[in-house]
Amino acid sequence: EDQVTQSPEALRLQEGESSSLNCSYTVSGLRGLFWYRQDPGKGPEFLFTLYSAGEEKEKERLKATLTKKESFLHITAPKPEDSATYLCAVLNYGGATNKLIFGTGTLLAVQP
Amino acid sequence: DTGVSQNPRHKITKRGQNVTFRCDPISEHNRLYWYRQTLGQGPEFLTYFQNEAQLEKSRLLSDRFSAERPKGSFSTLEIQRTEQGDSAMYLCASSWTDGEKLFFGSGTQLSVL
Repeated sequence: EDQVTQSPEALRLQEGESSSLNCSYTVSGLRGLFWYRQDPGKGPEFLFTLYSAGEEKEKERLKATLTKKESFLHITAPKPEDSATYLCAVLNYGGATNKLIFGTGTLLAVQP
Repeated sequence: DTGVSQNPRHKITKRGQNVTFRCDPISEHNRLYWYRQTLGQGPEFLTYFQNEAQLEKSRLLSDRFSAERPKGSFSTLEIQRTEQGDSAMYLCASSWTDGEKLFFGSGTQLSVL
């Protein structure tokens, strides 16, 4: 069964203190790995898609990387506005299924 | 592109009542998804449509839940005989045919008393 595990559950950083969030996955055939950001009371907002091991994507202070078993979301010199829940999800090639399987997320708090 | 719109934003109901939520997707998207999210959890897949056809339903979707997408445009999700365990955020998302990049609405927060 496809599974996504994110760690840590929560992370508190000082402004400017870089860190990484982890997403480990088990999937029969990975079609894509997705990172989303979710603010309180809102729906998830798309950040990145990664398709193959070794791939990297960057957006402002965020960089996502992918290996065969996990993905990392690196946050460089974060600002308070980066505070949110970061969700990882996978999409597989299996059968007729076409649904994203989400992890439980990492709640990031960046203090000024 | 006005984004995915969901109504209402909040719904409070008593146990046993029926509720209906509406989702208006991005107009050029032919796929529409419903997810459910509880506090501290990631979104859980409920069902999806390609145009007006409902192609997949989760085992989470009991017979009290029904979703429609008439004419392949907006969609409704109805929950009959609500239970306290139905309390959650109900999220709608839409995408192009490849089903990869999903655009989510802000959700409908359901509270069953």
